[in-house]
Amino acid sequence: GAGVSQSPSNKVTEKGKDVELRCDPISGHTALYWYRQSLGQGLEFLIYFQGNSAPDKSGLPSDRFSAERTGGSVSTLTIQRTQQEDSAVYLCASSLARQTDTQYFGPGTRLTVL
Amino acid sequence: DAKTTQPPSMDCAEGRAANLPCNHSTISGNEYVYWYRQIHSQGPQYIIHGLKNNETNEMASLIITEDRKSSTLILPHATLRDTAVYYCILLANTGNQFYFGTGTSLTVIP
Repeated sequence: GAGVSQSPSNKVTEKGKDVELRCDPISGHTALYWYRQSLGQGLEFLIYFQGNSAPDKSGLPSDRFSAERTGGSVSTLTIQRTQQEDSAVYLCASSLARQTDTQYFGPGTRLTVL
Repeated sequence: DAKTTQPPSMDCAEGRAANLPCNHSTISGNEYVYWYRQIHSQGPQYIIHGLKNNETNEMASLIITEDRKSSTLILPHATLRDTAVYYCILLANTGNQFYFGTGTSLTVIP
């Protein structure tokens, strides 16, 4: 069946612009996660959704970052006034229900801020 | 904060068993040990997980010490396609931050 999909696969933007990254989780998965991975680094947790609510936003690095999820499905991660240090691969994962369920990852969106 | 400690890199000869260690001395009773791997330019892939008992599936075996303070992922017959970064992480049912760390970069050598 279809896995987690993310769009766009690549995004190049200018410093100061806003960007929106999209994640389509596996159908029926209620938990959704956003991570980012800077070059040569491990995965950094950003935010976790259970349904449409986000019980854990502790990983968002600044108030320029926000995320929402509607209809318990698609999620968008928005970065306002992008900075060069925001350049990274942004990964989305979904799991069936609980945080201990296996997470299935999408291919990621590579964001480059010039 | 890192809750797991892994060696930064390891080599393994093709066809031999790869044993990847992970220390998690502050693990809580409700935390599972998960292993994922990430092949270059791809999203992480689930391998195996366990709570207390040793686990085995078609990809690997997971050995967890009795005190649960460390674990070892075993790839029984490593192939070149197993070259990847392997992450050991702890996940619990209660809300906590998921920390993947920098993992172990495994290189399988022909």
